[in-house]
Amino acid sequence: DGGITQSPKYLFRKEGQNVTLSCEQNLNHDAMYWYRQDPGQGLRLIYYSQIVNDFQKGDIAEGYSVSREKKESFPLTVTSAQKNPTAFYLCASSAVRGAGNTIYFGEGSWLTVV
Amino acid sequence: AQSVTQPDIHITVSEGASLELRCNYSYGATPYLFWYVQSPGQGLQLLLKYFSGDTLVQGIKGFEAEFKRSQSSFNLRKPSVHWSDAAEYFCAVGAGNTGNQFYFGTGTSLTVIP
Repeated sequence: DGGITQSPKYLFRKEGQNVTLSCEQNLNHDAMYWYRQDPGQGLRLIYYSQIVNDFQKGDIAEGYSVSREKKESFPLTVTSAQKNPTAFYLCASSAVRGAGNTIYFGEGSWLTVV
Repeated sequence: AQSVTQPDIHITVSEGASLELRCNYSYGATPYLFWYVQSPGQGLQLLLKYFSGDTLVQGIKGFEAEFKRSQSSFNLRKPSVHWSDAAEYFCAVGAGNTGNQFYFGTGTSLTVIP
């Protein structure tokens, strides 16, 4: 089935450690996104990429880093510089073909700092 | 600037009752409008979308939405709610020259009582 796969579903991190969340899509989409969602809150954009080897900061990029070496993959690293990393992280993708694209989401990853 | 407003943070309805979730948007050009549903701990699932044409669009799970340009609204409706509809609902606008800027409302949490 086509879709977006995020792994791991649950991740625990000690303070001071970096952690990388994986996101893979087989929808042949050019654009990929990372959002953060805190309990009872809406979505906040961390980073997005519209093409391989290029990405832009979203609204809350501080303490995060990404790479886009392959069209299918857009991993997110939560660094030790992120002050409050415990949250639910959503990866998404969309086509890039002018107006009228639809964004699709993965199942999310829970990150807890212990 | 583009924005999406969901005025109702939380709505409670009885099973079998009708439902309407409100969404207002601010966007200068023709909007591309979406409704998503999110169950606890899951990703966002696309319910329906409006790009053009008939202003009443049908979606999955028995949902429909009506685009009203004069009111800048895209309200989601369901004639008879089921207990399984309890979830968080997000309205979104797609914008930008490449159609890859997405703006989300803060969500409406739906509780269904038996």
